[in-house]
Amino acid sequence: EPEVTQTPSHQVTQMGQEVILRCVPISNHLYFYWYRQILGQKVEFLVSFYNNEISEKSEIFDDQFSVERPDGSNFTLKIRSTKLEDSAMYFCASGAQDSYGYTFGSGTRLTVV
Amino acid sequence: AQSVTQPDIHITVSEGASLELRCNYSYGATPYLFWYVQSPGQGLQLLLKYFSGDTLVQGIKGFEAEFKRSQSSFNLRKPSVHWSDAAEYFCAVGAGKDSSYKLIFGSGTRLLVRP
Repeated sequence: EPEVTQTPSHQVTQMGQEVILRCVPISNHLYFYWYRQILGQKVEFLVSFYNNEISEKSEIFDDQFSVERPDGSNFTLKIRSTKLEDSAMYFCASGAQDSYGYTFGSGTRLTVV
Repeated sequence: AQSVTQPDIHITVSEGASLELRCNYSYGATPYLFWYVQSPGQGLQLLLKYFSGDTLVQGIKGFEAEFKRSQSSFNLRKPSVHWSDAAEYFCAVGAGKDSSYKLIFGSGTRLLVRP
């Protein structure tokens, strides 16, 4: 069964550093998403991406965040200057046209120290 | 505003017993509804989804859910729980249009299974 692949599975970074979280969506999917889950809290929507542009973003997704699809296979989330409160599990997801559902990756646990 | 409420933070059932996890949503239009399961340290796996049609939907691992518009509910059920079902369960509503929509999750219900 096709999978959404996220790397790395765990990343530790110092406050103020830039991080890039990487995702390889399912190959024929067109819609891409990032979500995050702070430990013990609910899963929160960050951003959706379609046709090489952001479709929607949440209040969390401020100027410190950006997304990019640099080639035909990768989808990245960049945090420019990490804060302690950015520590969370970040999930990538992708969906096909008219699929009525999308697939999540296993997540990247980001720890900011 | 759209929201999802899962009233039970924890539920403990005995192996072999039946299970019902509650979910209530608030959404102006006909909702897309989902249940996801998350095992410790793992990602989110889709159990089932409702978009339209039959209000009783079947999912993987023997789970089913029933959409009740009058009660704004989408409760998850399983007739006989297995120890491997112990996990966190999230109800979600899809907000958006066409094939692009965001998911709004509830806070989750942690299921514990007694041997």
